Amino acid sequence: SQQGEEDPQALSIQEGENATMNCSYKTSINNLQWYRQNSGRGLVHLILIRSNEREKHSGRLRVTLDTSKKSSSLLITASRAADTASYFCATHQAGTALIFGKGTTLSVSS
Amino acid sequence: EPEVTQTPSHQVTQMGQEVILRCVPISNHLYFYWYRQILGQKVEFLVSFYNNEISEKSEIFDDQFSVERPDGSNFTLKIRSTKLEDSAMYFCASSDGTATEKLFFGSGTQLSVL
Repeated sequence: SQQGEEDPQALSIQEGENATMNCSYKTSINNLQWYRQNSGRGLVHLILIRSNEREKHSGRLRVTLDTSKKSSSLLITASRAADTASYFCATHQAGTALIFGKGTTLSVSS
Repeated sequence: EPEVTQTPSHQVTQMGQEVILRCVPISNHLYFYWYRQILGQKVEFLVSFYNNEISEKSEIFDDQFSVERPDGSNFTLKIRSTKLEDSAMYFCASSDGTATEKLFFGSGTQLSVL
């Protein structure tokens, strides 16, 4: 399966700290995406990184991709209470649907 | 900003009953999806739909499930005879002409099978 697996399952930090979440997958991919889910809500796309890219930034988000290790990381800098949510990586292989991992639950306390 | 709309937000049904979950994807999107999430667990792919036919389905999407785009705006998921294990949050998603580049999700329908 190309399913991503996030690590850690849960992360608790203080406001202002950085949060790092990791994702590992099993097969070659076209791209890897990160989504956020607030409790009881739908998923919201955060950032996409293609297989030929190594790093991408969007605001306070930084995503890295290591295709040799089949892993990605999402860094949220200077976290805020509003960043409290579940974060999912999703992998896309050519001709197949986007497949999600189990997610990391991030709690940011003020 | 355009959004994917799902109705109802909550659906309670008896085991064995048929349910239809409704979705209005973003108007210029071409690819449509259903995913589900059992409470606290991963988001599972069910089916993708393009050009009025199923393009891919998972092993979850058995003969009890069907999808339809009955008109130019709605996209529905039907479960013919619901089981207790069908209880989950069902998400509809859509994407534009670049398949699976970025999915836009609705807020979901919470299905409870009693």
